[in-house]
Amino acid sequence: GQQLNQSPQSMFIQEGEDVSMNCTSSSIFNTWLWYKQDPGEGPVLLIALYKAGELTSNGRLTAQFGITRKDSFLNISASIPSDVGIYFCAGQLSSGSARQLTFGSGTQLTVLP
Amino acid sequence: DAGVIQSPRHEVTEMGQEVTLRCKPISGHNSLFWYRQTMMRGLELLIYFNNNVPIDDSGMPEDRFSAKMPNASFSTLKIQPSEPRDSAVYFCASCPLGQLNEKLFFGSGTQLSVL
Repeated sequence: GQQLNQSPQSMFIQEGEDVSMNCTSSSIFNTWLWYKQDPGEGPVLLIALYKAGELTSNGRLTAQFGITRKDSFLNISASIPSDVGIYFCAGQLSSGSARQLTFGSGTQLTVLP
Repeated sequence: DAGVIQSPRHEVTEMGQEVTLRCKPISGHNSLFWYRQTMMRGLELLIYFNNNVPIDDSGMPEDRFSAKMPNASFSTLKIQPSEPRDSAVYFCASCPLGQLNEKLFFGSGTQLSVL
């Protein structure tokens, strides 16, 4: 099946630092989504991207839909302890079922005080 | 508003036993999804329903797994007989039908341990 390569797998950063993570694919996606999963909970949607080149912000979070439609990145500025969790990218294939998403393997973020 | 509600939160059972996981989607959401999450394989789509009808069950690992959606407010995922390799977190998610793009709302999951 389709795969998304998400990196890094894990990050340890100091509170206040900026964070960047990305996803790449060999396939073209028509939608990119970023989710965050807190321990013991389900993923929660952070940002949705619908057009190549689109740059969208949600508070301290900024995400971009790559111009080639095969990649996306998520930046978190001025990290705080509650940013801890697993961040997943997800893509919807341009030729696939409208109901199916492919998820990346996740980036485990740890914020040190 | 209540989100997607799953029960139980945790299930510990012995190999060979039947396991039933339950989900109540968000009211008004016509699409329902069952996902499985493991360290090795990440989030995998098992099956999804539109208007209570199963659309794609190609992700269901084998015949031991079955899912039903008898009405718009309830779905079950059943494993019979369960095996240790079924141990995982099982998530239910819902979204409105006709949504142009995916905006899934996930439940808190059921942590299943098969001994």
